[in-house]
Amino acid sequence: QKEVEQDPGPLSVPEGAIVSLNCTYSNSAFQYFMWYRQYSRKGPELLMYTYSSGNKEDGRFTAQVDKSSKYISLFIRDSQPSDSATYLCAMNRGSTLGRLYFGRGTQLTVWP
Amino acid sequence: KAGVTQTPRYLIKTRGQQVTLSCSPISGHRSVSWYQQTPGQGLQFLFEYFSETQRNKGNFPGRFSGRQFSNSRSEMNVSTLELGDSALYLCASSSAGAETQYFGPGTRLLVL
Repeated sequence: QKEVEQDPGPLSVPEGAIVSLNCTYSNSAFQYFMWYRQYSRKGPELLMYTYSSGNKEDGRFTAQVDKSSKYISLFIRDSQPSDSATYLCAMNRGSTLGRLYFGRGTQLTVWP
Repeated sequence: KAGVTQTPRYLIKTRGQQVTLSCSPISGHRSVSWYQQTPGQGLQFLFEYFSETQRNKGNFPGRFSGRQFSNSRSEMNVSTLELGDSALYLCASSSAGAETQYFGPGTRLLVL
């Protein structure tokens, strides 16, 4: 079993829809949670970063972390065709342990 | 600030050859991590360097090696290339004590 599980999709939604992306994890030592967006043939771009449990909002994006359920989510409101990309969740244990543990990524298409 | 840069961007090699990839981190970042990304396995951690020392290593064979220089630039080397080494190799940098990593555009390696 991988330490981070993420449904690869693909997910296809109409423009303006609310998108929900999710990851589950097994290691309770994870404390830092990130979402990256990766366009085709590009490197991952950091979208959101949260520490421990709670919500964080940035424009149309909201990240949620529920450590008791080992479950994290990314919500995209008013989705746009430019949001079409692969979304990767990532997490780590913090401190000097620099390795990120990634989900497999969810491919999202937003059609006009 | 300039982002993480990687060279070369594309590379074609044949089985048995060796290859060296280069990464320049964001100015001031002292930690450099390397990841391999393939459609089948997703993002897999190779190793992390901090202040010229390898601080963390993933589960890859010894054919994969790396180093970091005093200016924080890093190189990774793959010897005796195999077809399965074809992948996008991503470099990420972070500042000391930070948990987020910033990725470069990657080097796409094709082994024939």
